[in-house]
Amino acid sequence: NAGVTQTPKFQVLKTGQSMTLQCAQDMNHNSMYWYRQDPGMGLRLIYYSASEGTTDKGEVPNGYNVSRLNKREFSLRLESAAPSQTSVYFCASSAPSGGRNSPLHFGNGTRLTVT
Amino acid sequence: QKEVEQNSGPLSVPEGAIASLNCTYSDRGSQSFFWYRQYSGKSPELIMSIYSNGDKEDGRFTAQLNKASQYVSLLIRDSQPSDSATYLCAVTETGANNLFFGTGTRLTVIP
Repeated sequence: NAGVTQTPKFQVLKTGQSMTLQCAQDMNHNSMYWYRQDPGMGLRLIYYSASEGTTDKGEVPNGYNVSRLNKREFSLRLESAAPSQTSVYFCASSAPSGGRNSPLHFGNGTRLTVT
Repeated sequence: QKEVEQNSGPLSVPEGAIASLNCTYSDRGSQSFFWYRQYSGKSPELIMSIYSNGDKEDGRFTAQLNKASQYVSLLIRDSQPSDSATYLCAVTETGANNLFFGTGTRLTVIP
């Protein structure tokens, strides 16, 4: 059972380049999330998908797009990378829990550097 | 803007002591609260979840919640060097399944 798998683990981009971060979960979870983590800023929500076919903006969506390809996969795209997007990106998923919010399960992260 | 506040530390305790980590939050409607542990260079891992006022114990860990004071804490008893990590407090947004995270408290347990 792999849990939440993110690819790639590391990436270096030049300003203006585009890339897609991939995320897949095998826990049959409905909800999926993309967070970024920066020193002193904590984890900030970029986008989330409450269920297959839906996506919503989080705290810091500017410069990103997402696709919920199916129940398993949720990708994050940077169309034109900027140095301010240098960060560690985490994908997470959660299951519905009958009224209570269920905890997030995180992938191992993608370390992105934009030069 | 939802806020989750934690003392960034670093918090240093001797091995075997009790470590006390605190968190306050601004969203009065939040219903679910979580503590995550994050080792350097790794992803966050869930330690505790708490949904009702009072204490919840799991092994050496105790989570405490006071919704009236908008306060949640984590106690680690018999602290071990392996507990040295950053501890993240997370709080749900009212009416949604989103989590807002604090910036974390860095704990160092000194052998």
